[in-house]
Amino acid sequence: EVQLVESGGVLVKPGGSLRLSCAASGFTFNTYSMNWVRQAPGKGLEWVSSISGINNYIYYADSLKGRFTISRDNAKNSLYLQMNSLRAEDTAVYYCARSFTDYYYGWDVWGQGTTVTVSS
Amino acid sequence: QTVVTQEPSLSVSPGGTITLTCGLSSGSVSTTYYPSWYQQTPGQAPRTLIYSTNIRSSGVPDRFSGTILGNKAALTITGAQADDESDYYCVLYMGSGIQVFGGGTKLTVL
Repeated sequence: EVQLVESGGVLVKPGGSLRLSCAASGFTFNTYSMNWVRQAPGKGLEWVSSISGINNYIYYADSLKGRFTISRDNAKNSLYLQMNSLRAEDTAVYYCARSFTDYYYGWDVWGQGTTVTVSS
Repeated sequence: QTVVTQEPSLSVSPGGTITLTCGLSSGSVSTTYYPSWYQQTPGQAPRTLIYSTNIRSSGVPDRFSGTILGNKAALTITGAQADDESDYYCVLYMGSGIQVFGGGTKLTVL
């Protein structure tokens, strides 16, 4: 069964840092681009970042202004999101999502999400 | 900055047909934006419905269909059912690896 399981979401103070993880199983991880998508409470979905399967092409939403870093470890079938200088507006559920084989098609598999709360 | 637009809310009667649209604040949507559509119910992860304009994702019933209508991407639901009541999001590929969500449409079935 294809599965994505996020972890690492916690309550963190403004200005703090956090690393989210996504454990993938049931498919050949290194052949797929992977993504983070977030959803603030009561708001819509927002694409955050993506990383290609093996040659680490990386893309970010303009709104992040260099505070977030996506990475992956294909040996561990894991995706990560390092979040620095966190702000209240980063409070959201963060979803890990697998790209279709053609990455520009969007995402075909989603995790259940992990909740990040930024508050003092 | 280009914004992806969707109707904030729509309603449909059970058994009816409804079309949701996905446009651009500037310009027209074409197949080269590879529009995709996602369904989300409260507290749940999104579910992929349509990708590359009109290809149904695995397991999605043929009541859901996608197309380009005029200058927008469109998602049509025929024979609406109570459990179609959800939020629906479109996504457009803007090039250079960038994907942008629309604001979402809250669909009510009543």
